[in-house]
Amino acid sequence: EVQLVESGGGLVQPGGSLRLSCAASGFTFKTYSLTWVRQAPGRGLEWVSYISSSSSMIHDADSVKHYADSVKGRFTISRDNAKNSLYLQMNSLRDEDTAIYFCAREKMTAARFDFDSWGQGTRVTVSS
Amino acid sequence: DIQLTQSPSSLSASVGDRVTITCRASHSVTKYLDWYQQKPGKAPKLLIYTASSLEGGVPSRFSGSGSGTDFTLTITTLQPEDFATYYCQQSYNIPLTFGGGTKVEIK
Repeated sequence: EVQLVESGGGLVQPGGSLRLSCAASGFTFKTYSLTWVRQAPGRGLEWVSYISSSSSMIHDADSVKHYADSVKGRFTISRDNAKNSLYLQMNSLRDEDTAIYFCAREKMTAARFDFDSWGQGTRVTVSS
Repeated sequence: DIQLTQSPSSLSASVGDRVTITCRASHSVTKYLDWYQQKPGKAPKLLIYTASSLEGGVPSRFSGSGSGTDFTLTITTLQPEDFATYYCQQSYNIPLTFGGGTKVEIK
């Protein structure tokens, strides 16, 4: 069974940092691309970042990474195939980053950017 | 960036009704348009990908159609478990974008 479990959320002050993790199981992690999507309280879904599959077991230097303009330069996506884990390092956090953050797996088809498995989300609150 | 406009933003329907939700893109996304269902406190669930392909395990009462800029999600014979919020997402290019959502409520 495919499972994605996010962790690392919490309360942080504006300007602070958090590192989110997404632990994967039930599939060959290194062969799948992954994404982070967030949802502010009472709002819709917003795409945050994407990382392609990687052949390396340790480093993701061969992965393609994309970011939403709203987080570019502040957030960094990474993966560790040896640990079956996806990460999102979030720096210089702002009030508007408050949201539930979901990790999701890209569906393995000829197309791209379709997400067929999602975690339950981790809540990030940025407030003083 | 490609903007996605969903309509209506909410609707009330009864069990057994046929429901249609539309998603209009600001630029052509060819066939690269997905539909997700989200229930309160839960993660989104992929229903339809590339406009009309039904995701495995999704009931056949869900269907998608369209191409270019205009897309439709149809639920024939609405079931109690279908009351949720539905989002379209373009998978054509980066940045990926979602529609604002359509909340389907019980009449």
